[in-house]
Amino acid sequence: QQQVKQSPQSLIVQKGGISIINCAYENTAFDYFPWYQQFPGKGPALLIAIRPDVSEKKEGRFTISFNKSAKQFSLHIMDSQPGDSATYFCAARGNSGGSNYKLTFGKGTLLTVNP
Amino acid sequence: DAGITQSPRHKVTETGTPVTLRCHQTENHRYMYWYRQDPGHGLRLIHYSYGVKDTDKGEVSDGYSVSRSKTEDFLLTLESATSSQTSVYFCAISDPGTVNTEAFFGQGTRLTVV
Repeated sequence: QQQVKQSPQSLIVQKGGISIINCAYENTAFDYFPWYQQFPGKGPALLIAIRPDVSEKKEGRFTISFNKSAKQFSLHIMDSQPGDSATYFCAARGNSGGSNYKLTFGKGTLLTVNP
Repeated sequence: DAGITQSPRHKVTETGTPVTLRCHQTENHRYMYWYRQDPGHGLRLIHYSYGVKDTDKGEVSDGYSVSRSKTEDFLLTLESATSSQTSVYFCAISDPGTVNTEAFFGQGTRLTVV
């Protein structure tokens, strides 16, 4: 049972364009939704995260949009740059301790930004 | 960078042999996790720990065991390695419920079972 579904698997964008990656979740106990960025040969690193009490969070060129009723959230990368080329993972985590604190990941999106 | 060290970074082992991967942290975070990363599957949780000697299974725990005898160390053991366990293994740490809620990942261990 895949609790976090991510799409697309891969994405090619021209420099300066907008990259959009979507995720959907099933578990209504999730209350923390981070996005991770991973470069080849490296571990994933937190990019931006949101909690369900807000519908949008922006940090620089990166924005998370969150739709609690639809159980969906998305990452928007504005003015995409070749240096943004990486694999992006959405994730979700609960808040009540114990097993709920484990992060569940989507399968990842390979983003390529062409110069 | 968060203080997480995985060892070894690369390992080639034969089918049927036991293998232990080590994760060491210097951040005093309560939670430690082991994930495996495979093409088309993303990151899948193997086991995690929420304190010394407190561990639980993730979604792909078969064939793996873990131990945490100290806050800073989390060991992943493949009792009898199989080719299906060829993967990149990541350790992560976090301290949910505090300001350190973010999960930090190590650099990974590339394991090849031949």
